[in-house]
Amino acid sequence: EVQLVQSGAEVKKPGESLRISCKASGYSFANYWIGWVRQMPGKGLEWMGIIYPGDPDTRYSPSFQGQVTISADKAIATAYLQWSSLKASDSAIYYCTRQRSYILGGRHSYHYENWGQGTLVTVSS
Amino acid sequence: QSVLTQPPSVSAAPGQRVTISCSGSSSNIGDNYVSWYQQLSGTAPRLLIYDNNKRPSEIPDRISGSKSGTSATLGITGLQAGDEGDYYCGTWDRSLSVWVFGGGTKLTVL
Repeated sequence: EVQLVQSGAEVKKPGESLRISCKASGYSFANYWIGWVRQMPGKGLEWMGIIYPGDPDTRYSPSFQGQVTISADKAIATAYLQWSSLKASDSAIYYCTRQRSYILGGRHSYHYENWGQGTLVTVSS
Repeated sequence: QSVLTQPPSVSAAPGQRVTISCSGSSSNIGDNYVSWYQQLSGTAPRLLIYDNNKRPSEIPDRISGSKSGTSATLGITGLQAGDEGDYYCGTWDRSLSVWVFGGGTKLTVL
């Protein structure tokens, strides 16, 4: 059974650094893209970026490029999302999610099959 | 403002059928496969539909998906109270080189 288990809720002050984690099990971690998705309070889902732990190749949404760092440690099957200096506007729930990707009908197919339980990050002075 | 447009809300009575639309463009829905996600209150999103119209094995067949041109539709028949929640469409946008989600639709079972 595929499982993505995320680290617990965090309360931080503006300017502090933070790294949250996503521990994967039940599949070959290095061979599937892992994505991060933000959900601000009362708002919709926003795709932040993805990483392929086997390379590791990393892609960011322009909205999040330079604001966060996505990394992975394939030795312990764990992906990370990191901030060097948090802002109040980073307060949100963050989800990790495993991407399925393959060729179908001559086109690339992508979807997000498995999701972590979410990590609530609260940034407040 | 998302590049994929969904109605903010839909509602129907128990047992009825509801559809949720997702409108995009040639660079996203028109060129790629669409998936749908359900998010019940206080929980993580869950995959409902992928590749426009396929269901994971655990999703009942009263859930369906379709795509035509630059729009996609999620259908739910035999509505139940447990279906109440938020629903999101998603796909890859080749112009933006990002995955995009719709703004989400809140389903209310009356």
